[in-house]
Amino acid sequence: DAGVIQSPRHEVTEMGQEVTLRCKPISGHNSLFWYRQTMMRGLELLIYFNNNVPIDDSGMPEDRFSAKMPNASFSTLKIQPSEPRDSAVYFCASSFGVHPYEQYFGPGTRLTVT
Amino acid sequence: KNQVEQSPQSLIILEGKNCTLQCNYTVSPFSNLRWYKQDTGRGPVSLTIMTFSENTKSNGRYTATLDADTKQSSLHITASQLSDSASYICVVSKAAGNKLTFGGGTRVLVKP
Repeated sequence: DAGVIQSPRHEVTEMGQEVTLRCKPISGHNSLFWYRQTMMRGLELLIYFNNNVPIDDSGMPEDRFSAKMPNASFSTLKIQPSEPRDSAVYFCASSFGVHPYEQYFGPGTRLTVT
Repeated sequence: KNQVEQSPQSLIILEGKNCTLQCNYTVSPFSNLRWYKQDTGRGPVSLTIMTFSENTKSNGRYTATLDADTKQSSLHITASQLSDSASYICVVSKAAGNKLTFGGGTRVLVKP
């Protein structure tokens, strides 16, 4: 299995631009999570989906952030417009069923907003 | 205040030595506690998961302990290797759900 796939691995953009991060979960997994990691705040859950439905988006910072999961094998996290404080590493993780729900993380996307 | 506190923030050890990392949590109701290893530039990888009824679990040279009464956990690394240099993150899951609460991590550097 290829594991969780994220693209791009690195993204540099200017403030105000739209940024789209992509994630392909492990085949057969039914839960998908988006996390953000910074030096100051560590790892934070942004949103998670179960069976393609958003379950908890309380961690999404503000309306500039949106996430979609149109099918079981693809999800996007969009930031529009981007700001320098959005600079971070964004991780996608997936899991399947059986408690205690082991989560498998992707390699992350390092986003730099200048 | 973070519901998962880790100590120390960082430590340096010599190759071959042992070390112990600490994790205190206040997350409630408790479901399970995980230790993740995160190499620089990579995503976290699970080392152990312990539920309420488990008080120790090993994964090779890594041994985690859990005291659910005092809400404390430790991760012991035996005979450290250079490849153990990484951040180790304690993560606690609330009951009935997938949501994880992350500690700030302990950065371990193993020197030859």
